[in-house]
Amino acid sequence: KAGVTQTPRYLIKTRGQQVTLSCSPISGHRSVSWYQQTPGQGLQFLFEYFSETQRNKGNFPGRFSGRQFSNSRSEMNVSTLELGDSALYLCASSVDTGWWTQYFGPGTRLLVL
Amino acid sequence: GQQVMQIPQYQHVQEGEDFTTYCNSSTTLSNIQWYKQRPGGHPVFLIQLVKSGEVKKQKRLTFQFGEAKKNSSLHITATQTTDVGTYFCAGVGWETSGSRLTFGEGTQLTVNP
Repeated sequence: KAGVTQTPRYLIKTRGQQVTLSCSPISGHRSVSWYQQTPGQGLQFLFEYFSETQRNKGNFPGRFSGRQFSNSRSEMNVSTLELGDSALYLCASSVDTGWWTQYFGPGTRLLVL
Repeated sequence: GQQVMQIPQYQHVQEGEDFTTYCNSSTTLSNIQWYKQRPGGHPVFLIQLVKSGEVKKQKRLTFQFGEAKKNSSLHITATQTTDVGTYFCAGVGWETSGSRLTFGEGTQLTVNP
């Protein structure tokens, strides 16, 4: 089976702009979670989508949003980018909701200037 | 909210030496997962522990889940250069807002050949 794919892999944006990241889960996986990874904060949970519904949400401001499509693909959007949003954004899929094994994609590295 | 603390943050060993990383949760966990992230890579699932006092082995790696289900450890015997990376524990616990998978900050292991 193909693994989790994320696009784009690298992105450079300026403050105030918005960005959309995409994630395609492993075939058959219905849950998609998003994480932000930074050197100082480790892996921080953003949100989880299952059956096109947000099931869990971390402690991030409303500028961070996401959605899931009927084919389980997911997108994450960050509006009004701030310098502190520079990070590696990781998507992880799992077979079902309920915190099963997380299969991570390669991530999108976002740099905000 | 739920917090998962991991120590040490960094560990440098000579090849052949043993290595241990410890994980402690502020709340009782339903299960704990361990992941490994190679430099420049993404987290990869290693194992999940569910039962109180559970011990699992994978070749040179030994994983333990505490009796109170609030702590866990990963021990590597006779480290090799292929063990280099950051090891994360991730605990599944319950908060008022629902269940949550919380990652520790990771232990970065370097191995000197």
